[in-house]
Amino acid sequence: GAVVSQHPSWVICKSGTSVKIECRSLDFQATTMFWYRQFPKQSLMLMATSNEGSKATYEQGVEKDKFLINHASLTLSTLTVTSAHPEDSSFYICSARETGAGQPQHFGDGTRLSIL
Amino acid sequence: EDKVVQSPLSLVVHEGDTVTLNCSYEVTNFRSLLWYKQEKKAPTFLFMLTSSGIEKKSGRLSSILDKKELSSILNITATQTGDSAIYLCAVGFSGNTPLVFGKGTRLSVIA
Repeated sequence: GAVVSQHPSWVICKSGTSVKIECRSLDFQATTMFWYRQFPKQSLMLMATSNEGSKATYEQGVEKDKFLINHASLTLSTLTVTSAHPEDSSFYICSARETGAGQPQHFGDGTRLSIL
Repeated sequence: EDKVVQSPLSLVVHEGDTVTLNCSYEVTNFRSLLWYKQEKKAPTFLFMLTSSGIEKKSGRLSSILDKKELSSILNITATQTGDSAIYLCAVGFSGNTPLVFGKGTRLSVIA
């Protein structure tokens, strides 16, 4: 089945650091990938839709300069949290759907980000 | 505004019990309904339903969609402690429109 790989699984770093998270579709091509954020005991919150070869579409309230998204190929999207602060600590999850009608969306394992 | 509502929000059962989780939706341009299971990491895909009345089954889990009632149920029979998780329901649309998720049902199965 379709596999989405997300790396790293967890990051602990100091305030002010920029952190890059990678999301790869391993056995299929994905023109669109999605980035979510999840707080403890809450559901997934969509941050942005990443489109291959074009700019990402951000949800209302998500700072595009803070959360930089790049989708340079059909199998890789990256999310960079720039100048991270403790309030950016969260569980970030990427997701991708195989191109073509009627395909489910699959999720990476998520990245737990802790900013000290 | 598109809306997906799951009930109950949480549930505690004993091993061996059968549970039914509910998902209802109010959306425009419905295409599919998906169920996911989330344990400690990210959600894993369970089912995708597009046609009304056709049950999908995987082991002890099954699900069915009722487009007339704008709802779906997820059944788990003979529950085990390993079924403890958050079960998420989501509605899918055509094209690259993102899924809309419900808040999830937290299921706890105790021995």
